Amino acid sequence: QVQLQESGPGLVKPSQTLSLTCTVSGGSISSGDYYWSWIRQPPGKGLEWIGYIYYSGSTHYSMSLKSRVTISVDTSKKQFSLNVSSVTAADTALYYCARLNRAMVRYYFDYWGQGTLVTVSS
Amino acid sequence: DIQMTQSPSSLSASVGDRVTITCRASQSISTYLNWYQQKPGKAPKLLIYAASSLQSGVPSRFSGSGSGTDFTLTISNLQPEDFATYYCQQSYSTSPITFGQGTRLEIK
Repeated sequence: QVQLQESGPGLVKPSQTLSLTCTVSGGSISSGDYYWSWIRQPPGKGLEWIGYIYYSGSTHYSMSLKSRVTISVDTSKKQFSLNVSSVTAADTALYYCARLNRAMVRYYFDYWGQGTLVTVSS
Repeated sequence: DIQMTQSPSSLSASVGDRVTITCRASQSISTYLNWYQQKPGKAPKLLIYAASSLQSGVPSRFSGSGSGTDFTLTISNLQPEDFATYYCQQSYSTSPITFGQGTRLEIK
């Protein structure tokens, strides 16, 4: 059974960089069938796609965050990571990592981490 | 970007009811539409992919239909565990991937 687990600081100061890591277990991060994604959810609000990475390192980012976001992958550790620079209170959210299944070119999120709350506050 | 609009934003129903949630895309997305269920404090769970394909392990009372711009999620014989928030998500464009704003299903 595939499992994803987010880790990282729960509190980040304004203007600093938010850094999270997602560890994948029970499956291969190097399979060509999947993209590895980050999604966030501000408290009481809906889901916002941040971006995703392929095992080769190719990335796609939300245009609204592209200037501040970097996603990277370490296949040897079965981990992928998210950095969001110059954070403000608007970046306070529950951050999820998820597997984007590209089977039959349909692209759906079939496995999710439990989520980690990141609060931006001084 | 492809905008996804769900209706209603919230609804109340009783155990045993049949409910329908609608999702409309701002342009045609064929059947590149997925549905998720999210319970409080939990990650979203995939219910339906490709508009009408039931994810493994999801009860058959959940069904999806539609193509083009208009889609529906139907839950037959509502069970207590079905009260949650439901999201649609389009994958016709994978950059960006976009979600509907969510529909909260509450107990009447």
